[in-house]
Amino acid sequence: EPEVTQTPSHQVTQMGQEVILRCVPISNHLYFYWYRQILGQKVEFLVSFYNNEISEKSEIFDDQFSVERPDGSNFTLKIRSTKLEDSAMYFCASTLSRDINEKLFFGSGTQLSVL
Amino acid sequence: SQKIEQNSEALNIQEGKTATLTCNYTNYSPAYLQWYRQDPGRGPVFLLLIRENEKEKRKERLKVTFDTTLKQSLFHITASQPADSATYLCALDIGDYKLSFGAGTTVTVRA
Repeated sequence: EPEVTQTPSHQVTQMGQEVILRCVPISNHLYFYWYRQILGQKVEFLVSFYNNEISEKSEIFDDQFSVERPDGSNFTLKIRSTKLEDSAMYFCASTLSRDINEKLFFGSGTQLSVL
Repeated sequence: SQKIEQNSEALNIQEGKTATLTCNYTNYSPAYLQWYRQDPGRGPVFLLLIRENEKEKRKERLKVTFDTTLKQSLFHITASQPADSATYLCALDIGDYKLSFGAGTTVTVRA
């Protein structure tokens, strides 16, 4: 089965530093998402992205966050100035369309630790 | 805002038995509900989707029911195996795959 690939699997950074989390969605997919999961908590929606623009974002996705699809294959999440509370597992996801018969595929995640 | 609640406690069952997980939601009338499996350190994996007009859906040893009156979905794993040990998440689509997840129920199947 096709996979969403995320790199790195683990990222450690100092508070206040910028991080970029990278994702390669499934090649023919058109809709892209970032979710995050703080340890022991629910998976939470951050942002959705289609046609090179943000479709929707949650309250968590403030001005410190940005997303980009710099080329035809990568989808990135940037946190401009990391805070301790940004420590979480970040999941990228993609789907072909918004038809409910199309599955949402998640990557294995990037574990971000902010020290 | 919508609230999704799953069995608060972990489920520990003997191999071969049926595991039944509960998902309750409030303040929302979803057109469908999804169930995912999540293994430690991994992303959620889609298992099943059930629509509001479907009472029951099956996939191999998995069965899902959906009662829109009770605002509840039940997820059953029949003839459970140790390989079924994982956390199971229910999720509501609150708009264009903006999924709202429950906290999950961790199932451990003992051999």
